[in-house]
Amino acid sequence: DVKVTQSSRYLVKRTGEKVFLECVQDMDHENMFWYRQDPGLGLRLIYFSYDVKMKEKGDIPEGYSVSREKKERFSLILESASTNQTSMYLCASRPGTSGRRNTQYFGPGTRLTVL
Amino acid sequence: GENVEQHPSTLSVQEGDSAVIKCTYSDSASNYFPWYKQELGKGPQLIIDIRSNVGEKKDQRIAVTLNKTAKHFSLHITETQPEDSAVYFCAASGRSSASKIIFGSGTRLSIRP
Repeated sequence: DVKVTQSSRYLVKRTGEKVFLECVQDMDHENMFWYRQDPGLGLRLIYFSYDVKMKEKGDIPEGYSVSREKKERFSLILESASTNQTSMYLCASRPGTSGRRNTQYFGPGTRLTVL
Repeated sequence: GENVEQHPSTLSVQEGDSAVIKCTYSDSASNYFPWYKQELGKGPQLIIDIRSNVGEKKDQRIAVTLNKTAKHFSLHITETQPEDSAVYFCAASGRSSASKIIFGSGTRLSIRP
């Protein structure tokens, strides 16, 4: 089974802090994604990556950056956390060319609170 | 831009009854339509999907239908049970493995005992 893990389930940070959210997948997937989930807004794509060291902006990239130095790891960075970044953050991965190409597998989520 | 609309946002049904969630999409090039279930405290999990060359697909109590002409697709859950209570997301994407998946806004389904 595909496993996508996220470094923290719950995180509390203060305004202005730099925040790192880590995601690791164990299935050698090429594609990785970061979403935020807010009530009534569904899943909104922040950033995604098709390969190591590659990144693409999603629909709401402002205030975020990402890093993909290794294929299995995709990090989301909040350079200076703000209260409007309080949310549930979901990481996902998807195979590139084999099997069920478009099936995305999600991690359990990180609930971030910025005070 | 590409958009997926999902209705209703909340749904409450009596245990044993059926539940239907509907979605529409805007991009006519979309050809893959997955449905995800998100239980409390967990990430979304794929429960069923359908591709554009198929009009209907069934897996035990869950079925999906697709009307490409009208750009509609629906999730049907029959004989609902308490463990069906969750948030359900529909989604649409294109053929390429690099295509973005566009999600609906979610439906919170509650099963009344």
